[in-house]
Amino acid sequence: SYVLTQPPSVSVAPGQTARITCGGNNIGTKSVHWYQQKPGQAPVLVVYDDSDRPPGLPERLSGSNSGNTATLSINRVEAGDEADYYCQVWDVNDLHVFGSGTKVTVL
Amino acid sequence: EVQLLESGGGLVQPGGSLRLSCAAYGMTFGSYAMSWVRQAPGEGLEWVSDVSGSGDSTYYADSVKGRFTISRDNSKNILYLQMNSLRADDTAVYYCANLYFGTHAFDIWGQGTMVTVS
Repeated sequence: SYVLTQPPSVSVAPGQTARITCGGNNIGTKSVHWYQQKPGQAPVLVVYDDSDRPPGLPERLSGSNSGNTATLSINRVEAGDEADYYCQVWDVNDLHVFGSGTKVTVL
Repeated sequence: EVQLLESGGGLVQPGGSLRLSCAAYGMTFGSYAMSWVRQAPGEGLEWVSDVSGSGDSTYYADSVKGRFTISRDNSKNILYLQMNSLRADDTAVYYCANLYFGTHAFDIWGQGTMVTVS
């Protein structure tokens, strides 16, 4: 089965850049999607197809994908960015696969 | 505004059944593949099932295959998940979501409905 590996937590100071990684075997050959989930709320799609943003999402969020690692970057981090972030890919065998999630804490 | 509203969750005994519904508003429902994704308490997201826009094609995670059935009524703009032979590890918040056009990304999510098997 295809496995996506995320760090359990990332801490970042306000105004700095948070980088959340998502590791998978040759993940660079797949399209990676990212979701933000705040406590008690449903997930929100923030990046799709590696680096595209849905309408209305801030440019501070960006994605990249190469080799065995995809990355979601949050520039100029704000208190409101504190949330869990999940990566997701589609695999021909397992269909939709989610990473285990990364909790972003704003210091 | 596109909106998805789930209902039908609740407390059920192991081995029991439950049917979840997801009503869609503000979208051309039949044009979208739809999905169910669940989240156990304190855990991450787990994909459950997909159905094509027409309803002709369905897909399931191994953990629910043979027990859950996804379906849709495009005349009523409603997505369903029939859950049979429920187990304790099916306890979760169940979300419905539509698949973003041309991708395998989950675009709009409902607020979720809680299913407790105990």
